[in-house]
Amino acid sequence: KAGVTQTPRYLIKTRGQQVTLSCSPISGHRSVSWYQQTPGQGLQFLFEYFSETQRNKGNFPGRFSGRQFSNSRSEMNVSTLELGDSALYLCASSLYMGVETQYFGPGTRLLVL
Amino acid sequence: AQTVTQSQPEMSVQEAETVTLSCTYDTSESDYYLFWYKQPPSRQMILVIRQEAYKQQNATENRFSVNFQKAAKSFSLKISDSQLGDAAMYFCATGERGGSNYKLTFGKGTLLTVNP
Repeated sequence: KAGVTQTPRYLIKTRGQQVTLSCSPISGHRSVSWYQQTPGQGLQFLFEYFSETQRNKGNFPGRFSGRQFSNSRSEMNVSTLELGDSALYLCASSLYMGVETQYFGPGTRLLVL
Repeated sequence: AQTVTQSQPEMSVQEAETVTLSCTYDTSESDYYLFWYKQPPSRQMILVIRQEAYKQQNATENRFSVNFQKAAKSFSLKISDSQLGDAAMYFCATGERGGSNYKLTFGKGTLLTVNP
């Protein structure tokens, strides 16, 4: 089976812009979770989607949002980008909601200038 | 809230030797999972091993094994016969099962260097 894929792999944006990141889970997986990884804060949970519904959300401002489509693919959006949003954004998929084993994609590296 | 502590920011090991990475955690749940993930320079997070908290037997996966001490809330990873390809950042993670808080909580990571 193909693994989790994320596009794009790299992005450069400027402050104030918005960005959309995409994640395609492993075939058959229905849950998608998003994480932000920075050198200072480490890995932090953003949100989890299952059956097109957000099931859990981390402690991030409303500028961070996401959605899931009927084919389980997910997108996350960050509006009004700030310098501190520069990070590696990781997507993980699992068969079902919850802490079933999560398999990660290669990540999208976002740089905000 | 769950917390995960990896007290060793960096470790090094000689090729073919054994190394143990430490992890302690705190959770109020009785049913949870524990994971070790590896992140090489490519930044891809790779699952190394998983342990169900209700199982007393320690998980093993080829050269990787864990020492799970539930009462002490300790979950260390032992890598035997270390190889150059084992060099990476290793993250310990916990996940609660049940309730409304479905997420992995990660430690800060241990950077493992393998010396030839």
